[in-house]
Amino acid sequence: ETGVTQTPRHLVMGMTNKKSLKCEQHLGHNAMYWYKQSAKKPLELMFVYSLEERVENNSVPSRFSPECPNSSHLFLHLHTLQPEDSALYLCASSQDSGLSYNEQFFGPGTRLTVL
Amino acid sequence: AQSVTQLGSHVSVSEGALVLLRCNYSSSVPPYLFWYVQYPNQGLQLLLKYTTGATLVKGINGFEAEFKKSETSFHLTKPSAHMSDAAEYFCAVSNQAGTALIFGKGTTLSVSS
Repeated sequence: ETGVTQTPRHLVMGMTNKKSLKCEQHLGHNAMYWYKQSAKKPLELMFVYSLEERVENNSVPSRFSPECPNSSHLFLHLHTLQPEDSALYLCASSQDSGLSYNEQFFGPGTRLTVL
Repeated sequence: AQSVTQLGSHVSVSEGALVLLRCNYSSSVPPYLFWYVQYPNQGLQLLLKYTTGATLVKGINGFEAEFKKSETSFHLTKPSAHMSDAAEYFCAVSNQAGTALIFGKGTTLSVSS
C-alpha cells in the first residue's frame, strides 16, 4: 500500500449503530487529519493529530470520537449519528501539522450514509 | 481570520480552450495557498502551492497559478483544456496557526468536446 488508505470506502448505518472509520498513512508523516465533505459546502476540518496528540478539535459533536494510536493510524468512531452526518469523510496526512506550507496528502474517503 | 472564496461553482469550457478558475483569499498573515483537484470517487490531490518567492507557480498537468497580493487572488489557469481535466477544484489557504487548511467551496470544471 502507498499513500493514504481509508476503509471502508462505503458505509451505511442506522442511527443507533456504532461503527469506525480507519485511515492509514504509509508516508512517514507526523500529522493526520479528519475532514467532512458535504455537498455544496467547503471541506470542514474535524480533527488534527500531531505525533498522536490531538491539536485541534473544531467543535465536532461528541458522537464523533477520534483515536490516533500511532502516527500511521487514525480512527473515527461513530455512534448515534444523525442523517445530516451523511457525507464523505476524508483523511489526510502531512509531514508536520505546525508547518503551514506542508502539503496534505488525502485518502480516497469513506462515503457514509446514515439512515 | 483566514477564508477562501471561489467564484463560480461551475465552469464549462470546450476542449482546447483556456481554463480559468478564480480564487480570492483573506488572510491576516502572509498566506500559504494551495490548489487541489478531486476526481470522482477519489480524494484530493495537490496541483500546486504558493509559499514564498516566485508569484507564478507551476503545477502538475499543465496548470499554473499566480499569487497577486494586491488583488488577494490566486487564480488557477491552464492554456488548453483536456477532457481529463474535468473534476472539482479546491482553493485553500493555511490557517493562522499553521495547523490546517481552510478550503473554498470548490469549482466543478466541465470540458466538452
